[in-house]
Amino acid sequence: DGGITQSPKYLFRKEGQNVTLSCEQNLNHDAMYWYRQDPGQGLRLIYYSQIVNDFQKGDIAEGYSVSREKKESFPLTVTSAQKNPTAFYLCASRETGLGNQPQHFGDGTRLSIL
Amino acid sequence: GDSVTQMEGPVTLSEEAFLTINCTYTATGYPSLFWYVQYPGEGLQLLLKATKADDKGSNKGFEATYRKETTSFHLEKGSVQVSDSAVYFCALSDVTDKLIFGTGTRLQVFP
Repeated sequence: DGGITQSPKYLFRKEGQNVTLSCEQNLNHDAMYWYRQDPGQGLRLIYYSQIVNDFQKGDIAEGYSVSREKKESFPLTVTSAQKNPTAFYLCASRETGLGNQPQHFGDGTRLSIL
Repeated sequence: GDSVTQMEGPVTLSEEAFLTINCTYTATGYPSLFWYVQYPGEGLQLLLKATKADDKGSNKGFEATYRKETTSFHLEKGSVQVSDSAVYFCALSDVTDKLIFGTGTRLQVFP
């Protein structure tokens, strides 16, 4: 089945530690996105990528980094500079060849601080 | 900038009641509009979409009509079920094709 796989489902971070969240898609989509979800705040865009080897900052990129070395993969690193990383992280992808295509989401990774 | 405003939740209904979740937007140009649903512990699933004024999106008994004159995209369902309990997000795609989300509305349906 085609879809988006996020791993792990739960992740714990120690003080001063960087952690990486995985996002893989087999939908052959060009664009990929990372969102952060906090209670009562909806989704906020962290980073997005429209094409391999290129990505742009979203609204809350500070303390995060990404790479896009392969079309199907868009890992997110939560660095120690992110002082409040506890949240639910969602990855999405979208077909860009046709207009107005919706984003498809993975099942998320819940990150907590130890 | 572009924005989406949804009604505050939770919305609490009895099974078979009529549902309306209000959504209004502010945008330059002519955005596409979406409703997504999120079940507990899961990601977002696309529920329906509309790409131009007066379009009606529909899926699983849910409907929403793109109203340009009132800048609204209200979600409706004639008869809700317990299984519809979830958080519903209204969203628009801006001129760069990024999604702008509302804050979400939690729906609780009781038997």
